[in-house]
Amino acid sequence: GAVVSQHPSWVICKSGTSVKIECRSLDFQATTMFWYRQFPKQSLMLMATSNEGSKATYEQGVEKDKFLINHASLTLSTLTVTSAHPEDSSFYICSARDSRTGDEKLFFGSGTQLSVL
Amino acid sequence: QQQVKQSPQSLIVQKGGISIINCAYENTAFDYFPWYQQFPGKGPALLIAIRPDVSEKKEGRFTISFNKSAKQFSLHIMDSQPGDSATYFCAANGRVSARQLTFGSGTQLTVLP
Repeated sequence: GAVVSQHPSWVICKSGTSVKIECRSLDFQATTMFWYRQFPKQSLMLMATSNEGSKATYEQGVEKDKFLINHASLTLSTLTVTSAHPEDSSFYICSARDSRTGDEKLFFGSGTQLSVL
Repeated sequence: QQQVKQSPQSLIVQKGGISIINCAYENTAFDYFPWYQQFPGKGPALLIAIRPDVSEKKEGRFTISFNKSAKQFSLHIMDSQPGDSATYFCAANGRVSARQLTFGSGTQLTVLP
């Protein structure tokens, strides 16, 4: 299947700093990518839909100024957690599907574990 | 109407047994139903998916059974192995904006050796 590369795998940062997470589609183009957040032993919660060349669409309750999303190319979306606080500590996962084929399959990155001290 | 309800929350099966996980949905606009497997610290991996025009799909030891009238679908893992121990999520999407997936709550499967 298609590969979605996500970096870093884990990051530890101090409270108040910003952290950037990258999501790349390695062998396909994705006009849309999705960002999820997952707490331990819970399901995936959709945070936002990233759209290439335009603004992201955020789910209700997700602060757009705190979770900045940039989708500058057909293969790269980034999520920046600004002024991170301990409550932002979570597992963040991106996903994408091949926009050229229209295949329904959604592929996920390996996730980023964020720990804010 | 966007919910997908999944059960059981956890499941323990002996090696060689059959693992069965069930999901139910309400939104009749859903038309794609995938199952994902997730190991700790990793992203979900697509296992198998089905559309409502078929009642069953099999890939190796994994089978999806789909009941359109009852709005239910299930994952059967035949000859379960310890390596199958993971969290399984059902999901659904349909004719909604960007076709984002709605996930079930997950099932923690443990296969005993």
